[in-house]
Amino acid sequence: DIQMTQSPSSLSASVGDRVTISCRASQSISSYLNWYQQKPGKAPNLLIYATSTLRSGVPSRFSGGGSGTDFTLTISSLQPEDFATYYCQQSYSLPTFGQGTKVEIK
Amino acid sequence: QVQLQESGPGLVKPSETLSLTCTVSGGSVSSGSYYWYWIRQPPGKGLEWIGHIYFSGSTKYNPSLKSRVTISVDTSKSQFSLQLSSVTAADTAVYYCASYYYESGSHHRKFDCWGQGTLVTVSS
Repeated sequence: DIQMTQSPSSLSASVGDRVTISCRASQSISSYLNWYQQKPGKAPNLLIYATSTLRSGVPSRFSGGGSGTDFTLTISSLQPEDFATYYCQQSYSLPTFGQGTKVEIK
Repeated sequence: QVQLQESGPGLVKPSETLSLTCTVSGGSVSSGSYYWYWIRQPPGKGLEWIGHIYFSGSTKYNPSLKSRVTISVDTSKSQFSLQLSSVTAADTAVYYCASYYYESGSHHRKFDCWGQGTLVTVSS
């Protein structure tokens, strides 16, 4: 199995802050990396696929980057509705998820 | 747009079998572009894939659960189902069904649609 490790596990930020979440794969996964947002009591929701392609309807303040083993999710200006838990997921082989990064209000 | 809805008991006794069904609407479970997944999330924890089924009936299971899992598909009802046997308290989780879309050109795959999730508690 390909292991996915996210950092940090949680972070506190203010509205308007720039936030970056990292995701590292245990082996190269090329660009086969997706990001999901999950709010309490809800199912995860796809934000970004293929490392950097925004799903239709996702605000442009979200962006993704990286390749190989190291990837990032960046929120350029944090909005109140962005406080949630974010998961990366590799799609290179059978899917595995990172452990999640909880973005909390400072 | 595909919509998914899980159904099944919310309480299962230890050692018994957990059974859930996912009903697919707005799309076809017979589509060759999708794998149909079960994923679970224990309270306060992360996401774990349980297994998937393709419309042809071929399956793949998480090795950690493989001995206890069966996933099946009923194309006539546009449903796929999960059975997890010999459950313990460690199987208490929110169970999601999800569609995994496969782009044939780029080979990229993504969970593009999820059910709302159903909490299954294992307790006597």
